[in-house]
Amino acid sequence: ETGVTQSPTHLIKTRGQQVTLRCSSQSGHNTVSWYQQALGQGPQFIFQYYREEENGRGNFPPRFSGLQFPNYSSELNVNALELDDSALYLCASSPDRHRGGSYGYTFGSGTRLTVV
Amino acid sequence: DQQVKQNSPSLSVQEGRISILNCDYTNSMFDYFLWYKKYPAEGPTFLISISSIKDKNEDGRFTVFLNKSAKHLSLHIVPSQPGDSAVYFCAAILNAGNMLTFGGGTRLMVKP
Repeated sequence: ETGVTQSPTHLIKTRGQQVTLRCSSQSGHNTVSWYQQALGQGPQFIFQYYREEENGRGNFPPRFSGLQFPNYSSELNVNALELDDSALYLCASSPDRHRGGSYGYTFGSGTRLTVV
Repeated sequence: DQQVKQNSPSLSVQEGRISILNCDYTNSMFDYFLWYKKYPAEGPTFLISISSIKDKNEDGRFTVFLNKSAKHLSLHIVPSQPGDSAVYFCAAILNAGNMLTFGGGTRLMVKP
């Protein structure tokens, strides 16, 4: 079975631009979450999608938005990029939104975004 | 407000000895706790979890202990191997919810 794949692996953008990051969930997983990991910190929850609907959101502004498609792949969009948005963006999938605790979520390798 | 904390940023252990990584939390409503390992340029890899109704869970060389009265959990790795060198994250979840809350991580170095 394939794991979680993310693209691109690295990206450099200019302040004020917009960016789209992509994630393919593990086969059989219908729940996708996005996390931001700043340097030297633990990942911070951005939001979760379950069957194409947003299913919870962390403390991130509305310029962070997302989508989930019928095949359960997902996109993270960030508008009006700021320097502090520079981070590793991680996607994680789970077989079901209620099994994160027992299953543990499968993470992708992330997209390293640098805003200059 | 950091609900999950890992107070040791780094730990160095000799190969073959025990590694003990610690984690404290403040929210008594968490009902699952998880440990992840992360190598550079990779995403976190799930290691082991424990339900809040248990006080110990074991999987091979990895054992997690939960002390609810102290709001403390620990991960024991026995015996430690050089390949265990990585950053370890403690995380907690409300199982009816959807959000993993992570600690800041502990970098483990296992010396040959």
